Parts: sequence; structure tokens; C-alpha cells
Amino acid sequence: DTGVSQNPRHKITKRGQNVTFRCDPISEHNRLYWYRQTLGQGPEFLTYFQNEAQLEKSRLLSDRFSAERPKGSFSTLEIQRTEQGDSAMYLCASSPGSDSYEQYFGPGTRLTVT
Amino acid sequence: AQKITQTQPGMFVQEKEAVTLDCTYDTSDPSYGLFWYKQPSSGEMIFLIYQGSYDQQNATEGRYSLNFQKARKSANLVISASQLGDSAMYFCAMRGRQAGTALIFGKGTTLSVSS
Repeated sequence: DTGVSQNPRHKITKRGQNVTFRCDPISEHNRLYWYRQTLGQGPEFLTYFQNEAQLEKSRLLSDRFSAERPKGSFSTLEIQRTEQGDSAMYLCASSPGSDSYEQYFGPGTRLTVT
Repeated sequence: AQKITQTQPGMFVQEKEAVTLDCTYDTSDPSYGLFWYKQPSSGEMIFLIYQGSYDQQNATEGRYSLNFQKARKSANLVISASQLGDSAMYFCAMRGRQAGTALIFGKGTTLSVSS
């Protein structure tokens, strides 16, 4: 399977703990996106990478959130000092070069903060 | 600011019937793209169809077609001959400015197909 993969698929953590999620995009896709989706809502944009450069960050991405894509391949999203409001599905998507419009999504990581 | 509105929380249809899912959008960008995604209960977002703002013809992909009315700022998804496997959440989304920027999603419509 050469689609976008995300790990872990599910994460349960206690409030105040740090969590890290990983996204492996489709190989050779240079654009990578992170979205957050809460129950009953559509995905909301968090941040966007082109290769290793983080080019856009949403206002939703508070100081407790940090994302990296060190070698322009996989990406990690870390949430520090988790809060119950962080409970959501975190989706990763990738797309190829500038001529493409479609974003290919991974299965998501469902985070539950207790 | 760009915005997508999907006013139908839920739609119910019988197998083999056609169904239209509504989507209206708001943007000041002269060039933009409109998308529909399907999200089954498994959670993965599946791309269905794309319409560019300058495309002269409505997009079609198999049983999916997009009824694009630019003046009304609407981009409704039409699914012909519904199947049980079409039961899912459907999201309308748009992208403005240049390729590579974020997708802005609506709140979605739940489609239930019965036999």
C-alpha cells in the first residue's frame, strides 16, 4: 500500500501529557498538510509543509503544538501539555507538485484526552 | 474570507435513486477549486471530484457529477444510482489562491442509503 499512513491510529492520554503523531506521505509528494477534525465538523487546517519548510500555520496551532518535517519526507505533530479540548481526529494529507490540486488523506490519528 | 456552507445535516435515499448534496461557497478569489470528499465510518477522507472555477463544463467522475453554478456560488454533488456503499459523510471543500494552500471544508452531510 503506497497511500498516506499515520501512526498511531488511536491515542488515549491524560491531561497534561505530551503526545506525538507521525505521518508518512505518499513517496515523492513534496506537500504535506495537517488537519484537525472534531465530532460533527469538517477538517480544519493546522499547518502545511513544502518539502521541509513549514510555509503556513493556522491560528488554531497554539504554542503547545509543533510540527516538523526534518528531511522533507515524514512529518511529526507534537502536542505538549494536552488539554481535553485537544481530543479530535488528526488528519494528514499529501499532494505532489504545483500542478496537482488533489490532497490524499491518511486514516487519521484519533486522540482522546482524559 | 473563504467559507463553505452545507445546509443538509442528513439525507436519506433508497438504492438506485439519485441524490443531490448541496454546497454553497463564498470567496473573493477569482481563481479557486471546489472539491467533494467522502468520509466513511473508518475515517479516511476519499477524494471524489474536482471543479475548477474556470472550467466551462461540469465535472463528472463515474456516478458522481458536480453541478457548478458560478453565479449562484453553488457546487452541488449529484450521485446517480445510489448504492449501499455510498452511505457516509460527504464534505464539500474549496481551495483558493495557488495550488498547495489549505482546503476549507464545510460541516458535511451524512448520506444514508437504504435497500
